[in-house]
Amino acid sequence: DAGVTQSPTHLIKTRGQHVTLRCSPISGHKSVSWYQQVLGQGPQFIFQYYEKEERGRGNFPDRFSARQFPNYSSELNVNALLLGDSALYLCASSHLVSQASYEQYFGPGTRLTVT
Amino acid sequence: EDQVTQSPEALRLQEGESSSLNCSYTVSGLRGLFWYRQDPGKGPEFLFTLYSAGEEKEKERLKATLTKKESFLHITAPKPEDSATYLCAVLSTDSWGKLQFGAGTQVVVTP
Repeated sequence: DAGVTQSPTHLIKTRGQHVTLRCSPISGHKSVSWYQQVLGQGPQFIFQYYEKEERGRGNFPDRFSARQFPNYSSELNVNALLLGDSALYLCASSHLVSQASYEQYFGPGTRLTVT
Repeated sequence: EDQVTQSPEALRLQEGESSSLNCSYTVSGLRGLFWYRQDPGKGPEFLFTLYSAGEEKEKERLKATLTKKESFLHITAPKPEDSATYLCAVLSTDSWGKLQFGAGTQVVVTP
């Protein structure tokens, strides 16, 4: 089975631009979470979507938004990019049907560089 | 607020030299504690979930244990391929999907 996929792999943007990152969850998983990881730190939670509804939001500004589509894939949008947005953006999917399904499986990430 | 602290920050081991990584956590109610392995530039790879104090999980040379305030990841007779950053995360009962991560322990195993 295919794991979590993310696109693009790498991205270079200029300050003030916007960016869209995409994620496809593991087949059968209905929950997608987004994380930001800067070098030397653990991932920081941005959003969780389950059944196309936002179920959690981390401490990120309104420049960050996301959505989930009927096929459970997801997009993360970041507007008015700042240098500090440079990071590895990770998508994780989980089944969320029972206790055993809280495990999150991560994709390879999108490396965003803002210049 | 949920907090996760991992120690040490970095660990250098000789091949075959067993050691333990620590993850201390503060959470209002624990839904689960998760261990991940992360290689440079890649996404975290799921290793274990622990749900209640006293629980243990094993996978090859790795063994994870859980108490009410901390978790340990024991690496027995490590090999160079065990070199990676090991991340600990907690999921609170207040959330379905917000993992709170520690900063990780970078492990280097030399031949």
